[in-house]
Amino acid sequence: EVQLVESGGGLVQPGGSLRLSCAASGFTFSSYAMHWVRQAPGKGLEYVSAISSNGGSTYHANSVKGRFTISRDNSKNTLYLQMGGLTAEDMAVYYCARDLSGTTVTTMVYWGQGTLVTVSS
Amino acid sequence: DIQMTQSPSSLSASVGDRVTITCRASQGISNYLAWFQQKPGKVPKLLIYAASTLQSGVPSRFSGSGSGTDFTLTISSLQPEDVATYYCQKYNSAPRTFGPGTKVDIK
Repeated sequence: EVQLVESGGGLVQPGGSLRLSCAASGFTFSSYAMHWVRQAPGKGLEYVSAISSNGGSTYHANSVKGRFTISRDNSKNTLYLQMGGLTAEDMAVYYCARDLSGTTVTTMVYWGQGTLVTVSS
Repeated sequence: DIQMTQSPSSLSASVGDRVTITCRASQGISNYLAWFQQKPGKVPKLLIYAASTLQSGVPSRFSGSGSGTDFTLTISSLQPEDVATYYCQKYNSAPRTFGPGTKVDIK
């Protein structure tokens, strides 16, 4: 059974940093691209970042470019999102998700339960 | 960047009704279009990918069609458990943008 478990969310002050983790199990982690998607309270889904299966290619939305960095450790079956320069606009539930395809970066088929990031002083 | 729009933004229909949601891309995306269902308080669930391919385990009352810029998600007979917000997403290239969502409830 595929499982994705996010951690690392919490309360952070404006301008602060946070690192989210996503522990994966139930599939060959190193064979799939991974994604981060966020959802602000009461709002829709926003695509944040993606990383290829070997970590060699990454993508960050314009809204987070230069502040967030996606990475992965295939030896630990773990996906990360390093977040910095946080503002109220970054407050959201952050989901990690596994790609549908094992060969390219496509869309998301398995989702974690999400971790809440709250930005407030 | 390619923009995704959805219509309507919300709808209310009776149990058993046929429901249609439209998604439009500002430029052609071939068939690189997915549909997600998010029930209140729950995690998004992939319903359809490649515009018309039903994800395993999804009821057959859900179907998708379209190519290029115009796409449709159809629920052939609305059920109470289909109350949710539905999102389309393009994935031909980055950014893999989501549409704004369509909220479906029961009349």
